[in-house]
Amino acid sequence: AQSVAQPEDQVNVAEGNPLTVKCTYSVSGNPYLFWYVQYPNRGLQFLLKYITGDNLVKGSYGFEAEFNKSQTSFHLKKPSALVSDSALYFCAVREQNFGNEKLTFGTGTRLTIIP
Amino acid sequence: DTAVSQTPKYLVTQMGNDKSIKCEQNLGHDTMYWYKQDSKKFLKIMFSYNNKELIINETVPNRFSPKSPDKAHLNLHINSLELGDSAVYFCASSQDLGRRGEQYFGPGTRLTVT
Repeated sequence: AQSVAQPEDQVNVAEGNPLTVKCTYSVSGNPYLFWYVQYPNRGLQFLLKYITGDNLVKGSYGFEAEFNKSQTSFHLKKPSALVSDSALYFCAVREQNFGNEKLTFGTGTRLTIIP
Repeated sequence: DTAVSQTPKYLVTQMGNDKSIKCEQNLGHDTMYWYKQDSKKFLKIMFSYNNKELIINETVPNRFSPKSPDKAHLNLHINSLELGDSAVYFCASSQDLGRRGEQYFGPGTRLTVT
C-alpha cells in the first residue's frame, strides 16, 4: 500500500525567508511524487513532480523539491517566501506500477507567510 | 477556456434528496476522477474513468454512481443524500491514466446537506 505523511499541519514563515514543507512517502516500489497547492475556495493546482532523473525538481512560482530515496522524502522548498504563497499544500504519491492508477494525497500543510 | 469545469459550484439540499454534479474537461485527456474533500481538507479518490471505462472504484456507498457519457464528461449522481455527504467534490482529469503526469482539478462543488 502507498501512503504519504505531511507531519506539519501548519507552517509559518516570515516573508523573504526560505520555506520548507515536509513530505515523506511509503511505496513498495519506485514512486511518482507530486506537489499541489490549493488556494481558498479553489481546486488543486499542480506545482511540480518527480518521475525519474535529477533528484532536484523545479516547478511553478519558484518552488522546488528534492527527492531523497534513502529518507523517502520529497520536501517542498522555496528560497524566498512571498505573502501570496500562503495556501494549503498537498504532497501526493503513486507507485510506478502499471495497474496501480491511484494517487494518494497527504493530509495537507497550511502555509502562512507573515508580512 | 476553463480546462476542467464543474456545475454547480454550490449545492444545498435536504437529506433524502437525489442530486447530480457535472464535470467537463476540454484538455483532451482520457482519464477523469472524482475526489471528496472533507471538512478537514482530507482528499480522497472516489472514482476514476479511462475512456468511459471505470478503473477505480473506492469504498464508496452505492448511493454514489458515476457516469461517463464520453471521455470529456464525468458526472456524479448521489441518491438519498445524508448529512455525512456534505463536502467539497472535485473533478480532475489526466492523460494516460495519470501514470507519469499530473492531474488537473476543477474548482469544486460544495455540497451541503441539511
